[in-house]
Amino acid sequence: NAGVTQTPKFRVLKTGQSMTLLCAQDMNHEYMYWYRQDPGMGLRLIHYSVGEGTTAKGEVPDGYNVSRLKKQNFLLGLESAAPSQTSVYFCASSPGLNTGELFFGEGSRLTVL
Amino acid sequence: GESVGLHLPTLSVQEGDNSIINCAYSNSASDYFIWYKQESGKGPQFIIDIRSNMDKRQGQRVTVLLNKTVKHLSLQIAATQPGDSAVYFCAERGGAQKLVFGQGTRLTINP
Repeated sequence: NAGVTQTPKFRVLKTGQSMTLLCAQDMNHEYMYWYRQDPGMGLRLIHYSVGEGTTAKGEVPDGYNVSRLKKQNFLLGLESAAPSQTSVYFCASSPGLNTGELFFGEGSRLTVL
Repeated sequence: GESVGLHLPTLSVQEGDNSIINCAYSNSASDYFIWYKQESGKGPQFIIDIRSNMDKRQGQRVTVLLNKTVKHLSLQIAATQPGDSAVYFCAERGGAQKLVFGQGTRLTINP
């Protein structure tokens, strides 16, 4: 099983450009999440989804949009990238409410110049 | 609001010794706590969890202790091995399905 796959793994953007990070999971999980990880700040939740067609805001949603059109995919979009969005982005999935065991992808490193 | 912090940002131990990583949390309503391990260049990996109605839970070489009185969580790793070198995060669940992660402790194993 591939688990959780993120693409791309690395990307460099100029300020104002847009891009989409794709997350795919093959475990039939209901819940999916996007986190960002910055040095010394742990993981912060951007957006999450509790099922196909649903999305909700996390701790730091500003500047990001998400979509969950298919159960296995969770897309994170940056409409107008800013240097403050330079970070490592992690997607995760989980089967549901009864567990805090999230399955993480390997991360996508984004640099905004 | 919710916040999870760690007492020490780095911890260095000798191979074979036991490691103890500490975590403080502020939300007394949190009902569920998890420890994750993150190796360099990889995503976090679940280690062990504990619910608020428990004080202790053991896994393979790891034990998690929960002290709700002082809102403190610890992860004990027995007989630390080189493969245990990583950053360890505690996380708490205070509402909905949102986990709040701590800042992490880097564990270094000395040969």
